Amino acid sequence: DGGITQSPKYLFRKEGQNVTLSCEQNLNHDAMYWYRQDPGQGLRLIYYSQIVNDFQKGDIAEGYSVSREKKESFPLTVTSAQKNPTAFYLCASSKARDSVVTDTQYFGPGTRLTVL
Amino acid sequence: AQSVTQLGSHVSVSEGALVLLRCNYSSSVPPYLFWYVQYPNQGLQLLLKYTSAATLVKGINGFEAEFKKSETSFHLTKPSAHMSDAAEYFCAVSAGSSASKIIFGSGTRLSIRP
Repeated sequence: DGGITQSPKYLFRKEGQNVTLSCEQNLNHDAMYWYRQDPGQGLRLIYYSQIVNDFQKGDIAEGYSVSREKKESFPLTVTSAQKNPTAFYLCASSKARDSVVTDTQYFGPGTRLTVL
Repeated sequence: AQSVTQLGSHVSVSEGALVLLRCNYSSSVPPYLFWYVQYPNQGLQLLLKYTSAATLVKGINGFEAEFKKSETSFHLTKPSAHMSDAAEYFCAVSAGSSASKIIFGSGTRLSIRP
């Protein structure tokens, strides 16, 4: 079964700690994305990557970092510099690197991060 | 720049009634439009998308949406609501020439009354 997996489903972090959220896809998609979702708000783009070893900042990249060493993996690190990290984090992927605007994004099940 | 507005953060309908979720967009170029559904604590799933072909787009689970350029709208409808339709729905518009620039609305939570 092809799809996107995110782990863990729930994550608790103490203030001042860095944490890494995993995102893996076996859809052979070139592009991958990280979004943050807060209650009553839409999705906000954190980072995206259209090709291995390259990624771009989204609208709210401060306090986050990513890597794209393999096509199928796009981990997100929430650093201690992120002042309000409690949120639901969604990873997505889409087919083409040079995608036309019709390209559908496929989403993982999400990771809920809570800072204690 | 592209933007999308969903009117009504919460909509409640009776089971069997018409579902209407409103979405208006702003775009300086011909838009591509999407509706996604999100069930609690899950990721988003594509319901349907408009890609400049037919203005009436049919999606999964009996949903459809009509692109109206004159009204800059892309409202989502379903003739008869089912309890399983209770979820959050997001309208999205593409921006620029890359799918990485999809702008999501703030979402509408749909509740179904028995």
